[in-house]
Amino acid sequence: NAGVTQTPKFQVLKTGQSMTLQCAQDMNHEYMSWYRQDPGMGLRLIHYSVGAGITDQGEVPNGYNVSRSTTEDFPLRLLSAAPSQTSVYFCASSYLGGRDTGELFFGEGSRLTVL
Amino acid sequence: ILNVEQSPQSLHVQEGDSTNFTCSFPSSNFYALHWYRWETAKSPEALFVMTLNGDEKKKGRISATLNTKEGYSYLYIKGSQPEDSATYLCAFDTDKLIFGTGTRLQVFP
Repeated sequence: NAGVTQTPKFQVLKTGQSMTLQCAQDMNHEYMSWYRQDPGMGLRLIHYSVGAGITDQGEVPNGYNVSRSTTEDFPLRLLSAAPSQTSVYFCASSYLGGRDTGELFFGEGSRLTVL
Repeated sequence: ILNVEQSPQSLHVQEGDSTNFTCSFPSSNFYALHWYRWETAKSPEALFVMTLNGDEKKKGRISATLNTKEGYSYLYIKGSQPEDSATYLCAFDTDKLIFGTGTRLQVFP
């Protein structure tokens, strides 16, 4: 029962470096999303996808890219890391039941530090 | 930008007390309202997904109600236990899920 798998769990980057956070789910969920967690800010939506080939922006998309080439995978790319992107990142997925989104299943989180 | 508000920000109660928190959301034009429980050093886990005005859900000592006309949902915990200590998040579902900042509950023995 893998569920939602995120890698890496920890990463330290220098300003200006790029990297990709990987997210994979084995539940055949249509909906996948990336959130960042910052103190006092709760979970803020970065990007989301309602199916392969479809992505859209969330609340805080700047500095991040996503793609959805398969149902299972939804990688998050940091193009040129900045200290403001130091955060804990969560990937989450759910089924789409008609109009509403089912309960989200979260990965374990990826802690990113940008120096 | 949708603004989902939760109150109070934090809450300290004694074991055995009952408690409740509020989630306020901006409009009745949505698909569902979600509640999640988030323990420290873990990932959020779903408690309830509520879709209809007047909807009520219950899981053990935890229950939730939804009022879509006035734009709020309540989460109730009856007889709080130390293991209920966590942050409780609500999320507003349009075509994406937007979270509130959460209510942090600490239950003291």
